[in-house]
Amino acid sequence: DAGVIQSPRHEVTEMGQEVTLRCKPISGHDYLFWYRQTMMRGLELLIYFNNNVPIDDSGMPEDRFSAKMPNASFSTLKIQPSEPRDSAVYFCASSFSTVQFFGPGTRLTVL
Amino acid sequence: GDSVTQMEGPVTLSEEAFLTINCTYTATGYPSLFWYVQYPGEGLQLLLKATKADDKGSNKGFEATYRKETTSFHLEKGSVQVSDSAVYFCALSDGRANSKLTFGKGITLSVRP
Repeated sequence: DAGVIQSPRHEVTEMGQEVTLRCKPISGHDYLFWYRQTMMRGLELLIYFNNNVPIDDSGMPEDRFSAKMPNASFSTLKIQPSEPRDSAVYFCASSFSTVQFFGPGTRLTVL
Repeated sequence: GDSVTQMEGPVTLSEEAFLTINCTYTATGYPSLFWYVQYPGEGLQLLLKATKADDKGSNKGFEATYRKETTSFHLEKGSVQVSDSAVYFCALSDGRANSKLTFGKGITLSVRP
């Protein structure tokens, strides 16, 4: 199995631009999680889905952030407009039981 | 709400030294406890887990015992290697399948040859 796939691995953009992060979960996993990792705040859960339906989005920082899961094999996290404080590593994880499997992350830098 | 507290880092050890990384938690009910490891440039991966009191999780020479009386899940390894250099995260879930994880802040371990 290829594991959780994220793209791009690195993204550099300018303040005000739209950013879209992509995730392909492991086949057969019915839960998908989006996390953000920063030095100051550590790992934060942003949102998670079950069978493509958002279950808990209480961690989404503000309306500039949105996430979708149109089918079982694809999810996006969008930031519009982006701000420098959004700079972080964004992880996607999927699971079918108690263990979550993480992707390699997308390192986002907003200038 | 649930929370996980890890000891402050970073930790630097010489190869073959004994490792202990402390982790304590606050949770209602009967959480499951996890240690995840993040190697440089990679995502997190499960190192070990325990789902009930007195369970011992173990993997790759690492061990941790679920201590309900002290609400702790300390990570230990008898002899660390340079390849163990990574960031270690303690985490908990409420014990249900697919429930969300609450992570500690993580601690960086560097092992010198």
